[in-house]
Amino acid sequence: KQEVTQIPAALSVPEGENLVLNCSFTDSAIYNLQWFRQDPGKGLTSLLLIQSSQREQTSGRLNASLDKSSGRSTLYIAASQPGDSATYLCALNTGNQFYFGTGTSLTVIP
Amino acid sequence: NAGVTQTPKFRILKIGQSMTLQCTQDMNHNYMYWYRQDPGMGLKLIYYSVGAGITDKGEVPNGYNVSRSTTEDFPLRLELAAPSQTSVYFCASGHRAQGETQYFGPGTRLLVL
Repeated sequence: KQEVTQIPAALSVPEGENLVLNCSFTDSAIYNLQWFRQDPGKGLTSLLLIQSSQREQTSGRLNASLDKSSGRSTLYIAASQPGDSATYLCALNTGNQFYFGTGTSLTVIP
Repeated sequence: NAGVTQTPKFRILKIGQSMTLQCTQDMNHNYMYWYRQDPGMGLKLIYYSVGAGITDKGEVPNGYNVSRSTTEDFPLRLELAAPSQTSVYFCASGHRAQGETQYFGPGTRLLVL
């Protein structure tokens, strides 16, 4: 069974700082990995999707990497802003099923 | 497009009662999913469907049932509600599992007392 871990569980940074969120998984047999953002009381919004054959994806200030051999993915956020405050979840697609991490709650302090 | 819509937004149930959580998508997606999210936890897959008439169990299916009679609708049925089913329920949809993202509804918050 796929186990997905996200560390740290919570992170607080001053505005403008660059930061890295981590996602670890136990089974490298995946189709893709996604990073989602969840705002309080809301559903999930997809940020980046990395296919199994890819190493990284970029969108604006966000960059996600994937290293299947080590079972790790990182989400890099550049020049953080207060609007980036949210919970960030990674999810692994193993075919028809998705396995989610427990999330990292990010607070960006103005 | 409205995307993925869920009703109700919030519901309180008594132990032993039953209810149906509604989910509708207007993006003509084949794949639909039901997840539950407990406080401080990630999402757990309850059931999923790869098309009308086809459903399959996810990681935590016990206590739930689903049906998929149309492409648009994927209701989740709770029979004999238990306190352990207190959670936030999310419905999601997508074109296919392997290559594309899922689109999530806003969630239904359920409290079983």
